[in-house]
Amino acid sequence: SQQGEEDPQALSIQEGENATMNCSYKTSINNLQWYRQNSGRGLVHLILIRSNEREKHSGRLRVTLDTSKKSSSLLITASRAADTASYFCATALIYNQGGKLIFGQGTELSVKP
Amino acid sequence: NAGVTQTPKFQVLKTGQSMTLQCAQDMNHEYMSWYRQDPGMGLRLIHYSVGAGITDQGEVPNGYNVSRSTTEDFPLRLLSAAPSQTSVYFCASSRRRNTGELFFGEGSRLTVL
Repeated sequence: SQQGEEDPQALSIQEGENATMNCSYKTSINNLQWYRQNSGRGLVHLILIRSNEREKHSGRLRVTLDTSKKSSSLLITASRAADTASYFCATALIYNQGGKLIFGQGTELSVKP
Repeated sequence: NAGVTQTPKFQVLKTGQSMTLQCAQDMNHEYMSWYRQDPGMGLRLIHYSVGAGITDQGEVPNGYNVSRSTTEDFPLRLLSAAPSQTSVYFCASSRRRNTGELFFGEGSRLTVL
């Protein structure tokens, strides 16, 4: 079964609005990462948050992590049409071997101009 | 800087044929991995390697072989292709064994008839 479950599966918003995506996981983690995938392309790393961190910012991105609830959220502020993509959370398990990441199923974000 | 290069980008096989998906990285990364991406399933780890000469299985290794004779290259071999192996395959690398960010190739789209 998937370690990461993302919600919602699809999100459609207007340019300028904020987009929030959520990720829940099942087992203890070392860190949680968010990736972006444009249609037909490879994934690109956005941000990493460690298990002892609660919030992290990078430009218009804000990530929170609640290890007690085993959940994370990605907020994209003031969205742009160019933010249209699929977004994936990925977890690195606390006892993982070799740095394996386990990916969620992704949230498909559509930002309309 | 090329990053992670995958070839071929597209391939059509008949059931029972074998082939090799090539992956090369020029960042001197220790860790390399192969994922497959299917609709609604997210990315699933096939095989990974923590260094030259060392490989291990991921979530869905059956039907695939890997080897890591050099730091740069990590080919994925399909021994006897099946329609269930129709997918998009991504190679990724990381500078750190322990849960660093992954750098992805652009993907190889494989169709097995």
